[in-house]
Amino acid sequence: AQSVTQLGSHVSVSEGALVLLRCNYSSSVPPYLFWYVQYPNQGLQLLLKYTSAATLVKGINGFEAEFKKSETSFHLTKPSAHMSDAAEYFCAVRVNTGGFKTIFGAGTRLFVKA
Amino acid sequence: GAVVSQHPSRVICKSGTSVKIECRSLDFQATTMFWYRQFPKKSLMLMATSNEGSKATYEQGVEKDKFLINHASLTLSTLTVTSAHPEDSSFYICSARAGMDTEAFFGQGTRLTVV
Repeated sequence: AQSVTQLGSHVSVSEGALVLLRCNYSSSVPPYLFWYVQYPNQGLQLLLKYTSAATLVKGINGFEAEFKKSETSFHLTKPSAHMSDAAEYFCAVRVNTGGFKTIFGAGTRLFVKA
Repeated sequence: GAVVSQHPSRVICKSGTSVKIECRSLDFQATTMFWYRQFPKKSLMLMATSNEGSKATYEQGVEKDKFLINHASLTLSTLTVTSAHPEDSSFYICSARAGMDTEAFFGQGTRLTVV
């Protein structure tokens, strides 16, 4: 079955430092992968998605992710963290089990220190 | 991106009553809508998938008589929590997509508190 695993429920970085949020996937077919951000008491906003085109995907707010088949990873990065990046981040995979659905990882909360 | 609106954003209800949450796609026709439940500091759990004009498909472990889903039009789906109890308190999020292979857009969520 297709799934995603996010390593680290909490990540803390200093403002201006590199952000790295880890996601590994499990899939027997080429996956469609997503990263979403959620601010407190709000819905989800799509940051970026991988749909089997370019392996390096650029998203909004300076985020990008690289699909690495050999490592079954889709880690999210941003060169320089801003205070406004503090939020919950979810990695997700689209699965087809009688229709397309999006299955989410457990989430990683990003803290940004001044 | 497209806009999906949920209403209400917050609701408090008494134990034993029913509450309805609406999910509307404002600028596109949503053939499929999804309902998720999110526990505090947890991920989103898919509850059910609803296609316009047909019965919802519920995920394993979700009580269909407890969580009634109606997708009567291409722009509206409703989730009714029947005979709500405190353990039903949660954050409920809907998402909607226009077609099988299109992006799903998320509503802003509804915080349900049952007292």
